[in-house]
Amino acid sequence: DSGVTQTPKHLITATGQRVTLRCSPRSGDLSVYWYQQSLDQGLQFLIQYYNGEERAKGNILERFSAQQFPDLHSELNLSSLELGDSALYFCASSTPIAGGSYEQYFGPGTRLTVT
Amino acid sequence: AQSVTQPDIHITVSEGASLELRCNYSYGATPYLFWYVQSPGQGLQLLLKYFSGDTLVQGIKGFEAEFKRSQSSFNLRKPSVHWSDAAEYFCAVGGSGTYKYIFGTGTRLKVLA
Repeated sequence: DSGVTQTPKHLITATGQRVTLRCSPRSGDLSVYWYQQSLDQGLQFLIQYYNGEERAKGNILERFSAQQFPDLHSELNLSSLELGDSALYFCASSTPIAGGSYEQYFGPGTRLTVT
Repeated sequence: AQSVTQPDIHITVSEGASLELRCNYSYGATPYLFWYVQSPGQGLQLLLKYFSGDTLVQGIKGFEAEFKRSQSSFNLRKPSVHWSDAAEYFCAVGGSGTYKYIFGTGTRLKVLA
């Protein structure tokens, strides 16, 4: 158990709908990352938040957005869903370690199926 | 461009045999290197990491990896594979000043009894 929690575990929805995925980081971790894992794209970095502020952006679609709340949990919002958005969505958290290094710990993921 | 290459998509080994999974990276600065394992339906678990210092790093579950700067490689090894090691393995690279990881496409390991 990494200490990172994600809900829900599974989500099935229809095209055009909107969903919200939730992530709680490990205790004390300030950074939260979102990744998408699909068969054709592999593991893709979407976005990172650090202590409530967006820190880095990857291959995140405009239909997707995220935020990190004062209690450090994060939500990933996916709207106008398409079949191609079906994937595993992972959240990870990290805290800097001495020397500028860090490591990311991943949650169990949310499997999104768009029908 | 920054990238990670795992040239082997699938690898099959017999239980008890040795294992080496290859990882090559391209990164403009000093790399931080990681290996993760993903069991079916599970999240990614950190096996080991390299930041600096000794180029041979030990991880969990009996895995080790060697950083070779001249070859831009960070290969994962295990002397004797167990059936429970069957999973997908991902190599990733990051760097100082950036929290963003770049992942390889993964190597799926199958273990024959």
